[in-house]
Amino acid sequence: NAGVTQTPKFRVLKTGQSMTLLCAQDMNHEYMYWYRQDPGMGLRLIHYSVGEGTTAKGEVPDGYNVSRLKKQNFLLGLESAAPSQTSVYFCASSYSVWGGRIFGPGTRLTVL
Amino acid sequence: SQQGEEDPQALSIQEGENATMNCSYKTSINNLQWYRQNSGRGLVHLILIRSNEREKHSGRLRVTLDTSKKSSSLLITASRAADTASYFCATDAGTGNQFYFGTGTSLTVIP
Repeated sequence: NAGVTQTPKFRVLKTGQSMTLLCAQDMNHEYMYWYRQDPGMGLRLIHYSVGEGTTAKGEVPDGYNVSRLKKQNFLLGLESAAPSQTSVYFCASSYSVWGGRIFGPGTRLTVL
Repeated sequence: SQQGEEDPQALSIQEGENATMNCSYKTSINNLQWYRQNSGRGLVHLILIRSNEREKHSGRLRVTLDTSKKSSSLLITASRAADTASYFCATDAGTGNQFYFGTGTSLTVIP
């Protein structure tokens, strides 16, 4: 099992550019999450999904969109990147809503 | 915010010593989780303790939960250099979908 994988690992964008981060899990988990991690801020939930075809907003959803067309994939989109979106992005999945999250290795995004 | 707060922010100990880190939170929870993050890596789930449990063990880890004080502690016994990492607590806000992470305790174990 690969667990949770994220693509790409690193990316540099210019302000205003768009991009999509891909998360894939092979554990047949219903629940998937996108977090961002910033120094001194801990992890903050951006969006999450409770099953294929569903998405919901987390703590910091502004400037991001997500889609869950297939159960194993959860995409995070930035339509018009801003320097404030420079961060490390983590995808996670879980078997149950109360269970421990399985995290991917992260994507380091820099917006210039 | 429901966000947990870990204490201390940083901890440095000698190999073989015990490490204790604490987490405080603000509102009632259903469960509390502890995670480890090695530098440059994703978080790894360590242990989950439910609100009706007071103590839980997993290998060299011991977690306690005091819901009356809204606090939890993580004890790592006989620490090893490989335990060097950041440790985070995460608490739910009753719905389960949103677990709020603290800012972490950075643990350094000196060989």
